[in-house]
Amino acid sequence: DAGITQSPRHKVTETGTPVTLRCHQTENHRYMYWYRQDPGHGLRLIHYSYGVKDTDKGEVSDGYSVSRSKTEDFLLTLESATSSQTSVYFCAIRVQGYNEQFFGPGTRLTVL
Amino acid sequence: AQTVTQSQPEMSVQEAETVTLSCTYDTSESNYYLFWYKQPPSRQMILVIRQEAYKQQNATENRFSVNFQKAAKSFSLKISDSQLGDTAMYFCAFIFDQGAQKLVFGQGTRLTINP
Repeated sequence: DAGITQSPRHKVTETGTPVTLRCHQTENHRYMYWYRQDPGHGLRLIHYSYGVKDTDKGEVSDGYSVSRSKTEDFLLTLESATSSQTSVYFCAIRVQGYNEQFFGPGTRLTVL
Repeated sequence: AQTVTQSQPEMSVQEAETVTLSCTYDTSESNYYLFWYKQPPSRQMILVIRQEAYKQQNATENRFSVNFQKAAKSFSLKISDSQLGDTAMYFCAFIFDQGAQKLVFGQGTRLTINP
């Protein structure tokens, strides 16, 4: 357990509504990541952060934005949710001095 | 582009058997890291084993071992004495861009261990 929580764990929303997912860590790790998991694609990187207010895009960043105003929280926002954003979203952290990433429990988002 | 390919969408074996999951990858990097993650029905992503590309020795973790063939860009996972608790999705993953360390995942292999 790397001290990572995600909220909410499940969410159902409607097309066009804004949605924010939260990733919280308890151990002050510098690097945090957001991935989405879809059948047939494995996990794909959306955005990542390498420090407070330092973020960058991943492979599938269109339609998503992120913010990191403090070390422990990394927020993923869907400004106007679409059905194609129905997915399971995972947050991950990279432990300093190691190359592994450790994952949160995931959030299942359904956009109707 | 960096890619990871798992060619076996599903596999099924009997308990106590040995099973090998295949993974190939494509990269122009010379130094990188490879991983196998397990995702049981609980959805939690669990790191099973890792391999540094600069190490010739294959990694081993208890019943889990890898066959790393750098020239062939192949990274297979062998599970010995399989157990019912090994039933899960297994993802092969590759880290490139040493600074940000963005993981690239394969499509996954669904492994079922039958009693």
